[in-house]
Amino acid sequence: DTGVSQDPRHKITKRGQNVTFRCDPISEHNRLYWYRQTLGQGPEFLTYFQNEAQLEKSRLLSDRFSAERPKGSFSTLEIQRTEQGDSAMYLCASSLDQGETQYFGPGTRLLVL
Amino acid sequence: EDQVTQSPEALRLQEGESSSLNCSYTVSGLRGLFWYRQDPGKGPEFLFTLYSAGEEKEKERLKATLTKKESFLHITAPKPEDSATYLCAVPPDSSNTGKLIFGQGTTLQVKP
Repeated sequence: DTGVSQDPRHKITKRGQNVTFRCDPISEHNRLYWYRQTLGQGPEFLTYFQNEAQLEKSRLLSDRFSAERPKGSFSTLEIQRTEQGDSAMYLCASSLDQGETQYFGPGTRLLVL
Repeated sequence: EDQVTQSPEALRLQEGESSSLNCSYTVSGLRGLFWYRQDPGKGPEFLFTLYSAGEEKEKERLKATLTKKESFLHITAPKPEDSATYLCAVPPDSSNTGKLIFGQGTTLQVKP
């Protein structure tokens, strides 16, 4: 079963450092989403890709955040100059088409010290 | 603004004690309501999708129902392994990308 995978699963970094997360979606899914989840809350949408095109970004995605999906396959989410408020679980999801079920990966838990 | 509200925030049940979780939403043009289960430290796991009022779906001890403004997740004779956070989500009116707006979740604890 090749579900959505994310790497790393955990990341501890110091404030001001840059971090990069990777997501590998289900192979035939052309839609990819990034969400952020803090303790006790539901996931919040960050950004969306259809194939390699980034088509929507949340206002939560400040200038320090950038996401890419080269060749419409895996995606990366980079956070520059991390802040303590960036500490959260970063979730990736993929779907086959609009309105179809989104399947989530295991998440990357980020702790910024 | 589109919103999803879940209640209660936390629920403790004895094994075998049936109950229901509520999810209310404000989007006017519903394009699907999604239920997920999330275990601590893991990503959400898909349970059900409902598209129209009156629709029902079942899986083991769980049954999801949908009305025009809310959905219920009924848990019949729960077991300790049903303990998890249950999330519901809908696509907002303002976007056609398929992104989801999530409620804050209901954390269910089932005691043996």
